[in-house]
Amino acid sequence: DSGVTQTPKHLITATGQRVTLRCSPRSGDLSVYWYQQSLDQGLQFLIQYYNGEERAKGNILERFSAQQFPDLHSELNLSSLELGDSALYFCASSVGGGGMDGYTFGSGTRLTVV
Amino acid sequence: QKEVEQDPGPLSVPEGAIVSLNCTYSNSAFQYFMWYRQYSRKGPELLMYTYSSGNKEDGRFTAQVDKSSKYISLFIRDSQPSDSATYLCAMRLTGGGNKLTFGTGTQLKVEL
Repeated sequence: DSGVTQTPKHLITATGQRVTLRCSPRSGDLSVYWYQQSLDQGLQFLIQYYNGEERAKGNILERFSAQQFPDLHSELNLSSLELGDSALYFCASSVGGGGMDGYTFGSGTRLTVV
Repeated sequence: QKEVEQDPGPLSVPEGAIVSLNCTYSNSAFQYFMWYRQYSRKGPELLMYTYSSGNKEDGRFTAQVDKSSKYISLFIRDSQPSDSATYLCAMRLTGGGNKLTFGTGTQLKVEL
């Protein structure tokens, strides 16, 4: 167990729907990161939050949004889902926001859009 | 062209072999270099973290960075079946948050 908790582990939903993925970081970590992993693109950075504030943004679609709450857990919201959104979504956490921190990843949420 | 290129494999080696995994990159501003190991259906796990050029050793693992060639390597000595996994290189710039740019991963199988 890495200490980063992601729920749910699996999610199957229909096109056009909206889902929320949840992440609880390791105790003491202030940064949360969201990544999408697909077979053809590998791990793609979506967004980073540090202590409740957005710190960095990647190629995150406008249909996707995220936030980090005061208790430091984070949620990734995916709306108007398309077949191409099917992927593994990973959350990771680190102590700091931009220093020499390695990430600790959760086990991911496997999203299947049908 | 991707910023980080990595041969996807699969790479199959006998137990006890020395494994060499490599990545090339195009952005000379990358300063921090990492290797992650990912088992099937699991999240990536940090193996090695190096800054700038040089070598770093940790047990059976050695990471090398050659910034002049924009080339990084991970060597695994005395490979074990438990090393069978996908190995991902990752790198980041200085500043601008802690975004990592990953290679697509090399699948390694160590056979008995």
